[in-house]
Amino acid sequence: DAEITQSPRHKITETGRQVTLACHQTWNHNNMFWYRQDLGHGLRLIHYSYGVQDTNKGEVSDGYSVSRSNTEDLPLTLESAASSQTSVYFCASSDDLVSGRKYFGPGTRLTVL
Amino acid sequence: GDSVTQMEGPVTLSEEAFLTINCTYTATGYPSLFWYVQYPGEGLQLLLKATKADDKGSNKGFEATYRKETTSFHLEKGSVQVSDSAVYFCALRQGGSEKLVFGKGTKLTVNP
Repeated sequence: DAEITQSPRHKITETGRQVTLACHQTWNHNNMFWYRQDLGHGLRLIHYSYGVQDTNKGEVSDGYSVSRSNTEDLPLTLESAASSQTSVYFCASSDDLVSGRKYFGPGTRLTVL
Repeated sequence: GDSVTQMEGPVTLSEEAFLTINCTYTATGYPSLFWYVQYPGEGLQLLLKATKADDKGSNKGFEATYRKETTSFHLEKGSVQVSDSAVYFCALRQGGSEKLVFGKGTKLTVNP
Protein backbone atom coordinates (compact mmCIF):
# COMPACT_ATOMS: atom_id res chain seq x y z
CA ASP A 1 0.00 0.00 0.00
CA ALA A 2 1.10 3.53 -0.69
CA GLU A 3 2.10 5.50 2.37
CA ILE A 4 3.94 8.48 3.75
CA THR A 5 6.68 7.91 6.30
CA GLN A 6 8.78 10.17 8.49
CA SER A 7 12.07 9.54 10.20
CA PRO A 8 13.21 9.67 12.85
CA ARG A 9 10.03 9.51 14.94
CA HIS A 10 11.81 11.08 17.90
CA LYS A 11 14.93 13.23 17.97
CA ILE A 12 16.77 15.04 20.70
CA THR A 13 19.47 17.49 19.67
CA GLU A 14 21.41 20.43 21.03
CA THR A 15 21.13 24.11 20.22
CA GLY A 16 23.17 25.08 17.19
CA ARG A 17 23.30 21.66 15.57
CA GLN A 18 22.04 20.99 12.07
CA VAL A 19 19.15 18.54 11.95
CA THR A 20 17.43 16.93 8.97
CA LEU A 21 14.01 15.33 9.17
CA ALA A 22 13.10 12.91 6.42
CA CYS A 23 9.75 12.56 4.65
CA HIS A 24 9.08 9.90 2.04
CA GLN A 25 5.85 9.18 0.17
CA THR A 26 5.08 6.39 -2.25
CA TRP A 27 1.92 7.84 -3.81
CA ASN A 28 3.88 9.73 -6.46
CA HIS A 29 2.19 12.92 -5.29
CA ASN A 30 3.46 16.19 -6.73
CA ASN A 31 2.62 18.31 -3.68
CA MET A 32 4.40 17.94 -0.34
CA PHE A 33 4.23 20.03 2.81
CA TRP A 34 5.89 20.44 6.18
CA TYR A 35 3.94 21.63 9.22
CA ARG A 36 4.82 22.11 12.85
CA GLN A 37 2.31 21.48 15.59
CA ASP A 38 2.50 23.43 18.83
CA LEU A 39 0.08 23.68 21.71
CA GLY A 40 -2.13 26.70 21.25
CA HIS A 41 -1.13 27.19 17.62
CA GLY A 42 -2.51 24.19 15.79
CA LEU A 43 -0.57 23.35 12.63
CA ARG A 44 1.50 25.98 10.88
CA LEU A 45 2.96 25.63 7.43
CA ILE A 46 6.76 25.73 7.22
CA HIS A 47 7.59 24.96 3.58
CA TYR A 48 5.89 23.32 0.65
CA SER A 49 6.69 22.00 -2.81
CA TYR A 50 4.56 21.56 -5.91
CA GLY A 51 7.06 19.37 -7.71
CA VAL A 52 10.70 18.49 -8.28
CA GLN A 53 13.01 21.49 -7.89
CA ASP A 54 10.10 23.61 -6.60
CA THR A 55 10.11 24.91 -3.02
CA ASN A 56 8.12 27.67 -1.34
CA LYS A 57 8.09 29.34 2.07
CA GLY A 58 5.18 28.96 4.41
CA GLU A 59 4.17 31.17 7.32
CA VAL A 60 6.96 30.03 9.70
CA SER A 61 9.89 29.27 7.39
CA ASP A 62 12.68 31.16 9.23
CA GLY A 63 15.42 28.76 10.33
CA TYR A 64 14.21 25.94 8.05
CA SER A 65 15.02 24.85 4.52
CA VAL A 66 13.81 22.12 2.17
CA SER A 67 14.97 20.63 -1.11
CA ARG A 68 13.06 18.55 -3.66
CA SER A 69 15.36 16.46 -5.82
CA ASN A 70 12.78 13.75 -6.57
CA THR A 71 9.05 13.21 -6.31
CA GLU A 72 9.14 10.93 -3.26
CA ASP A 73 11.18 12.94 -0.75
CA LEU A 74 11.05 16.36 0.90
CA PRO A 75 13.66 16.55 3.68
CA LEU A 76 13.37 19.40 6.18
CA THR A 77 16.62 20.89 7.49
CA LEU A 78 17.07 23.01 10.58
CA GLU A 79 20.30 24.83 9.82
CA SER A 80 21.10 25.72 13.43
CA ALA A 81 18.56 24.27 15.82
CA ALA A 82 17.03 26.57 18.43
CA SER A 83 14.96 25.73 21.50
CA SER A 84 12.01 27.51 19.86
CA GLN A 85 12.03 24.79 17.23
CA THR A 86 11.11 22.11 19.76
CA SER A 87 7.88 20.82 18.28
CA VAL A 88 6.12 17.98 16.52
CA TYR A 89 6.70 18.07 12.78
CA PHE A 90 4.27 16.63 10.24
CA CYS A 91 4.88 15.98 6.60
CA ALA A 92 1.94 15.77 4.20
CA SER A 93 1.37 15.12 0.52
CA SER A 94 -1.43 15.56 -1.98
CA ASP A 95 -2.02 15.25 -5.69
CA ASP A 96 -5.64 16.24 -5.99
CA LEU A 97 -6.14 19.94 -6.57
CA VAL A 98 -9.90 19.45 -6.64
CA SER A 99 -10.53 17.67 -3.36
CA GLY A 100 -7.77 19.35 -1.40
CA ARG A 101 -7.27 16.18 0.60
CA LYS A 102 -3.87 15.77 2.22
CA TYR A 103 -2.25 12.63 3.58
CA PHE A 104 -0.22 13.14 6.71
CA GLY A 105 2.75 11.23 8.02
CA PRO A 106 2.92 10.02 11.64
CA GLY A 107 5.03 12.95 12.82
CA THR A 108 8.49 13.56 14.25
CA ARG A 109 8.85 14.82 17.81
CA LEU A 110 11.93 17.06 17.95
CA THR A 111 13.41 18.33 21.20
CA VAL A 112 16.14 20.97 21.09
CA LEU A 113 18.04 21.29 24.38
CA GLY B 1 -5.27 36.96 5.85
CA ASP B 2 -7.35 33.83 6.04
CA SER B 3 -7.96 32.34 9.48
CA VAL B 4 -9.92 29.64 11.28
CA THR B 5 -11.23 29.89 14.83
CA GLN B 6 -12.30 26.83 16.80
CA MET B 7 -13.94 26.58 20.18
CA GLU B 8 -11.50 26.24 23.03
CA GLY B 9 -11.08 22.78 24.46
CA PRO B 10 -10.73 20.41 25.97
CA VAL B 11 -14.19 18.92 25.62
CA THR B 12 -15.15 16.00 27.83
CA LEU B 13 -18.32 14.01 27.18
CA SER B 14 -19.91 10.78 28.26
CA GLU B 15 -20.48 8.03 25.73
CA GLU B 16 -23.63 8.54 23.60
CA ALA B 17 -23.69 12.29 24.28
CA PHE B 18 -24.25 14.83 21.50
CA LEU B 19 -21.17 16.60 20.22
CA THR B 20 -20.77 20.06 18.72
CA ILE B 21 -17.40 21.64 17.99
CA ASN B 22 -17.74 25.18 16.68
CA CYS B 23 -15.64 26.46 13.80
CA THR B 24 -15.80 29.85 12.12
CA TYR B 25 -13.57 31.22 9.42
CA THR B 26 -12.40 34.46 7.86
CA ALA B 27 -11.51 34.29 4.18
CA THR B 28 -11.95 36.07 0.91
CA GLY B 29 -13.86 34.33 -1.83
CA TYR B 30 -15.23 30.84 -1.45
CA PRO B 31 -12.84 28.51 0.34
CA SER B 32 -13.21 24.76 0.76
CA LEU B 33 -13.65 23.66 4.37
CA PHE B 34 -12.35 20.57 6.11
CA TRP B 35 -12.36 18.72 9.39
CA TYR B 36 -9.30 16.64 10.17
CA VAL B 37 -8.97 14.27 13.13
CA GLN B 38 -5.78 13.30 14.96
CA TYR B 39 -5.90 10.16 17.09
CA PRO B 40 -3.31 9.81 19.86
CA GLY B 41 0.18 9.25 18.50
CA GLU B 42 -0.88 9.52 14.86
CA GLY B 43 -0.88 12.02 12.03
CA LEU B 44 -3.95 13.89 10.86
CA GLN B 45 -6.63 12.18 8.81
CA LEU B 46 -9.31 13.82 6.72
CA LEU B 47 -12.68 13.37 8.42
CA LEU B 48 -14.98 15.29 6.08
CA LYS B 49 -15.09 18.26 3.76
CA ALA B 50 -17.37 20.67 1.94
CA THR B 51 -16.48 22.72 -1.10
CA LYS B 52 -19.36 25.19 -1.47
CA ALA B 53 -22.07 26.93 0.49
CA ASP B 54 -24.81 24.68 1.94
CA ASP B 55 -22.80 21.53 1.23
CA LYS B 56 -22.90 18.99 4.03
CA GLY B 57 -19.88 16.80 4.65
CA SER B 58 -20.38 13.56 6.54
CA ASN B 59 -18.34 10.56 7.63
CA LYS B 60 -18.37 8.05 10.51
CA GLY B 61 -21.51 9.67 11.95
CA PHE B 62 -19.97 13.14 11.96
CA GLU B 63 -21.53 15.97 9.97
CA ALA B 64 -20.73 19.59 9.18
CA THR B 65 -22.59 22.07 6.97
CA TYR B 66 -20.88 24.92 5.10
CA ARG B 67 -22.75 28.06 6.18
CA LYS B 68 -21.56 31.04 4.21
CA GLU B 69 -23.97 33.49 5.86
CA THR B 70 -22.45 32.78 9.27
CA THR B 71 -18.98 31.77 7.95
CA SER B 72 -19.22 28.60 9.98
CA PHE B 73 -18.54 24.88 9.63
CA HIS B 74 -19.54 23.34 12.96
CA LEU B 75 -18.83 19.66 13.55
CA GLU B 76 -21.62 17.52 15.04
CA LYS B 77 -22.21 13.93 16.02
CA GLY B 78 -25.38 12.60 17.56
CA SER B 79 -23.85 9.92 19.79
CA VAL B 80 -20.14 9.88 20.52
CA GLN B 81 -18.11 6.80 21.36
CA VAL B 82 -14.96 6.33 23.39
CA SER B 83 -13.13 5.69 20.12
CA ASP B 84 -13.95 9.26 19.01
CA SER B 85 -11.49 10.62 21.58
CA ALA B 86 -9.02 12.65 19.52
CA VAL B 87 -8.04 16.16 18.54
CA TYR B 88 -10.21 17.74 15.84
CA PHE B 89 -8.95 20.43 13.48
CA CYS B 90 -11.02 22.69 11.30
CA ALA B 91 -9.24 23.96 8.18
CA LEU B 92 -9.84 25.95 5.02
CA ARG B 93 -8.27 26.01 1.59
CA GLN B 94 -8.61 28.75 -0.96
CA GLY B 95 -9.44 27.67 -4.49
CA GLY B 96 -6.40 27.12 -6.66
CA SER B 97 -4.11 26.74 -3.66
CA GLU B 98 -2.81 23.61 -2.00
CA LYS B 99 -2.23 25.38 1.30
CA LEU B 100 -4.43 24.56 4.27
CA VAL B 101 -5.05 27.04 7.08
CA PHE B 102 -5.76 25.21 10.33
CA GLY B 103 -7.55 26.12 13.51
CA LYS B 104 -5.78 25.44 16.81
CA GLY B 105 -7.54 22.13 17.37
CA THR B 106 -10.07 20.92 19.93
CA LYS B 107 -9.28 17.94 22.12
CA LEU B 108 -12.25 15.64 22.72
CA THR B 109 -12.29 13.02 25.45
CA VAL B 110 -15.20 10.59 25.63
CA ASN B 111 -15.62 8.65 28.87
CA PRO B 112 -17.44 5.30 29.10
